[in-house]
Amino acid sequence: QKEVEQNSGPLSVPEGAIASLNCTYSDRGSQSFFWYRQYSGKSPELIMSIYSNGDKEDGRFTAQLNKASQYVSLLIRDSQPSDSATYLCAVLTTGNQFYFGTGTSLTVIP
Amino acid sequence: ETGVTQTPRHLVMGMTNKKSLKCEQHLGHNAMYWYKQSAKKPLELMFVYSLEERVENNSVPSRFSPECPNSSHLFLHLHTLQPEDSALYLCASSQDLIPNQPQHFGDGTRLSIL
Repeated sequence: QKEVEQNSGPLSVPEGAIASLNCTYSDRGSQSFFWYRQYSGKSPELIMSIYSNGDKEDGRFTAQLNKASQYVSLLIRDSQPSDSATYLCAVLTTGNQFYFGTGTSLTVIP
Repeated sequence: ETGVTQTPRHLVMGMTNKKSLKCEQHLGHNAMYWYKQSAKKPLELMFVYSLEERVENNSVPSRFSPECPNSSHLFLHLHTLQPEDSALYLCASSQDLIPNQPQHFGDGTRLSIL
């Protein structure tokens, strides 16, 4: 079983819609969760971190964490073409090991 | 500009060559990392350095040899690589090794092994 799993997509949404990206993890004791955005040919860029159950909002981005179900999601409201990128979920496990998912490719259609 | 600079951006080498990848961070961070990113695979953590000391080596083959001469510079020395080593090699840094510290990535070196 993979430590972190994401649907590779591609996920396509129209401009202005809500994009929903999901991630599940296997280590139930994990405490720290991160979302990175990676444009094609560029490095991953941290956009959100979440440590507690519930929602965390930052501008158009909302991270949601449900430790009981072992999933973390990222919602992007009012999606823009500039949001088109690969979104990587990363989890810090109980052994202080940092694992990334394979990423979900998002395309926002103008 | 992420504050983490990697050179070269692209590298093509034969299996018998020896080359080095360089990473420099201008953020005053104490921890530095090497990752490998292959197509359709998750980012794989290769090495971790904290205050110039290697603290983690994730079962990486000996044909990859890291070096951290100071907290701002990190090298990855390559020799007798295999075709499956072709990938994007990313360097990252964080303030410290405290687990919640966000990592800042460089733009990577695209490595192709002939």
